[in-house]
Amino acid sequence: GAGVSQSPSNKVTEKGKDVELRCDPISGHTALYWYRQSLGQGLEFLIYFQGNSAPDKSGLPSDRFSAERTGGSVSTLTIQRTQQEDSAVYLCASSTPGTVTNEQFFGPGTRLTVL
Amino acid sequence: AQSVTQPDIHITVSEGASLELRCNYSYGATPYLFWYVQSPGQGLQLLLKYFSGDTLVQGIKGFEAEFKRSQSSFNLRKPSVHWSDAAEYFCAVGEHGSSNTGKLIFGQGTTLQVKP
Repeated sequence: GAGVSQSPSNKVTEKGKDVELRCDPISGHTALYWYRQSLGQGLEFLIYFQGNSAPDKSGLPSDRFSAERTGGSVSTLTIQRTQQEDSAVYLCASSTPGTVTNEQFFGPGTRLTVL
Repeated sequence: AQSVTQPDIHITVSEGASLELRCNYSYGATPYLFWYVQSPGQGLQLLLKYFSGDTLVQGIKGFEAEFKRSQSSFNLRKPSVHWSDAAEYFCAVGEHGSSNTGKLIFGQGTTLQVKP
């Protein structure tokens, strides 16, 4: 079946612009995670959605970052007023349900470059 | 605070040689441990996981890992490396407990290069 998909695969933007990154999880997966992979910080957790529960936003690095998940499926990660340090690969993963014993399936990522 | 350390940033081995990638963790409770592989331009793929029980776990693609509580380690091994194993490898610990979100805390990764 279809895996996790992310779009766009690459995004180049200018400093100060807003960007939206999209994630389509595997159908039926109730949990969705966003991670960021950058040269300086490695792979780090950003945010977690589980069903209709309030998301765990503990990993968001600043208030310029936000995410939503509509209808329990597609998720959008928004970065406002992008900075050069936001350049990274943004990975999305889904699982069902979102507990440690359930495998997370990762998408191919969106490579964001802020000029 | 929980953390994962992969001491080797880059490793080069010859095809057919054995491989061991090191991983050390710091976690207050019994750790749930994972190894993921990331091939160029690809997402992360789960190789294997350890939750409890037998400390030697088998994974896909001929990989295995051994959990050693006394050393806080979870090293990944393969007896004979193939050129297609060239990739980046990540060790991770999964959050559990009262929150049990399953979010992963990753090491910095080890890049494996395979010489012909």
